[in-house]
Amino acid sequence: AIQLTQSPSSLSASVGDRVTITCRASQGISSALAWYQQKPGKVPKALIFDGSSLESGVPSRFSGSGSGTDFTLTISSLQPEDFATYYCQQFNSFQGLTFGGGTKVEIK
Amino acid sequence: ELHLVESGGGLVQPGGSLRLSCVASGFTFSSYWMTWVRQAPGKGLEWVANIKQDGSEKYYVDSVNGRFTISRDNAKNSLYLQMNSLRTEDTAEFYCARGRRGIVVLRGAPDHYYYYMDVWGKGTTVTVSS
Repeated sequence: AIQLTQSPSSLSASVGDRVTITCRASQGISSALAWYQQKPGKVPKALIFDGSSLESGVPSRFSGSGSGTDFTLTISSLQPEDFATYYCQQFNSFQGLTFGGGTKVEIK
Repeated sequence: ELHLVESGGGLVQPGGSLRLSCVASGFTFSSYWMTWVRQAPGKGLEWVANIKQDGSEKYYVDSVNGRFTISRDNAKNSLYLQMNSLRTEDTAEFYCARGRRGIVVLRGAPDHYYYYMDVWGKGTTVTVSS
């Protein structure tokens, strides 16, 4: 199965900071990567699909980039409601679907 | 409004069975791939299984392959997960989610598929313990 490695596993940031989370795939996946946000006790919410496409209703401060094996989720100006855990995810028809281990964004 | 409601979770002994259900509303269920995802207490997300719109394609994570079966009944707007030979490590919150699969075309030719989950249920808790 394709492995997804997220870094960092956690970070502390302040409101207004620019935050970047990376996701590395164990083999090339073109741009077929999604990003999710999960707040404590809540269900995951899709933010980005196909590497850089913004899901409907998601604020424009969230953006995704990358292709092949290296991907990035960027929050341009961190807001109080953005403190959460973020996951990347890919699906390959022959090797199934995998999530990254998650990145917890905490308040500094 | 889009809704997915899971049910069927509970406490079961190792080696036992459970059948999870998910009822969809607010969208044309038969037009979408569907997915089960689980999350062990305090852990990350783990994909369990996917099923195509007509049930003709099914995919499983290796750890459940041969023990779990995903199925659907489009007439009832329902998704199921039959779980047999349950293990303590199957203890988790199980989420039903709607899959969005698309194809990206570049320079007039198919380049790649993508797949993600855009609607999630609130989950049902499965506890495997003696």
